[in-house]
Amino acid sequence: NAGVTQTPKFQVLKTGQSMTLQCAQDMNHNSMYWYRQDPGMGLRLIYYSASEGTTDKGEVPNGYNVSRLNKREFSLRLESAAPSQTSVYFCASREGRTGPTYGYTFGSGTRLTVV
Amino acid sequence: GQQLNQSPQSMFIQEGEDVSMNCTSSSIFNTWLWYKQEPGEGPVLLIALYKAGELTSNGRLTAQFGITRKDSFLNISASIPSDVGIYFCAGSRSSNTGKLIFGQGTTLQVKP
Repeated sequence: NAGVTQTPKFQVLKTGQSMTLQCAQDMNHNSMYWYRQDPGMGLRLIYYSASEGTTDKGEVPNGYNVSRLNKREFSLRLESAAPSQTSVYFCASREGRTGPTYGYTFGSGTRLTVV
Repeated sequence: GQQLNQSPQSMFIQEGEDVSMNCTSSSIFNTWLWYKQEPGEGPVLLIALYKAGELTSNGRLTAQFGITRKDSFLNISASIPSDVGIYFCAGSRSSNTGKLIFGQGTTLQVKP
């Protein structure tokens, strides 16, 4: 099925460990995004890539890095995990850069716990 | 960081009742969107609004883009059990970046 695929679905890390969250979309979308979701906080933007070859910081980028590997893939890396990074992480993609094409397609999320 | 103020935080209603929720901001948005999230899944787009004053329906759902461009409303008519979930509003200022700012969500529970 077409859509956004995130791996892994669940992960437990120890403080200080590193890991990469993977995201791939097969809809030929130009823009991709990483959000985190915390109770009562809605979704907050970590990083985004408006088009292949570009990445920019969002609202809460500290402690994260990203790589837009190609048009399909956009990974999120935690270099040294902290308990404050315990969250549900969502990757999303969007077709257009201009115009009314705001139909984000979200992945099903990665549930990360840092102990 | 900046967020939209979404209310109410939660609702517990009887099947068949109508539901209203809203989102407000201190600044202007060019686009308003409403999403629904079910347990264990990512949000799914319900309605997108692109012009101030716009009123758009999707089945039993109706949403409006406020005239001031600082607010939006979502109504669900004749609720059914499958309407259960978390509803999020989201606003965008930039068509180039597509960055969204999300509200805190409204958790809806429907009693059969």
